[in-house]
Amino acid sequence: KQEVTQIPAALSVPEGENLVLNCSFTDSAIYNLQWFRQDPGKGLTSLLLIQSSQREQTSGRLNASLDKSSGRSTLYIAASQPGDSATYLCAVVNAGNMLTFGGGTRLMVKP
Amino acid sequence: GAVVSQHPSWVICKSGTSVKIECRSLDFQATTMFWYRQFPKQSLMLMATSNEGSKATYEQGVEKDKFLINHASLTLSTLTVTSAHPEDSSFYICSARGSGETQYFGPGTRLLVL
Repeated sequence: KQEVTQIPAALSVPEGENLVLNCSFTDSAIYNLQWFRQDPGKGLTSLLLIQSSQREQTSGRLNASLDKSSGRSTLYIAASQPGDSATYLCAVVNAGNMLTFGGGTRLMVKP
Repeated sequence: GAVVSQHPSWVICKSGTSVKIECRSLDFQATTMFWYRQFPKQSLMLMATSNEGSKATYEQGVEKDKFLINHASLTLSTLTVTSAHPEDSSFYICSARGSGETQYFGPGTRLLVL
């Protein structure tokens, strides 16, 4: 059974810092890995999708990497802003399109 | 732990028919339910947000007349794909949120429209 873990569970940083969120998974036989953002009371917003054959994806200040063999992904946020404050979730897709989420990292960026 | 079920898990239908997908929170009351769609090799995308007893809020680009959402009780939301066409074939996933911020996801429904 796939298990997805996110570290840290919570993170508080001053504005402007570069930061890294970590996601690890136990079964490396994945189709893809996705990073989402969740704002309070809202549905998930897709940030980045990395196919199993890819090593990284970039969107603006966000960069996600994938090391399938070691079961790890990182989400790098450059020059963090207060508007980046949210919960960040990673999810992996296995055979049968099973989606497994990590527990999330709650990020607070202080002005 | 919180459990969300979806029914059916698989559905194959002819083009032009309507398909109803149920999402149930089994052991908690879901004040808000979310419906997502995932096409092959694409990310999970939010379609709509429904709050019990009120009209659903649809994301931009999602046709509300085609994807009818009913959240009539605190444990049940339904998504009806009206007059389904092959391009509607996708993986539909619901999630439910109770009093906290955590969303609990259903196992998904795979729709194939022939």
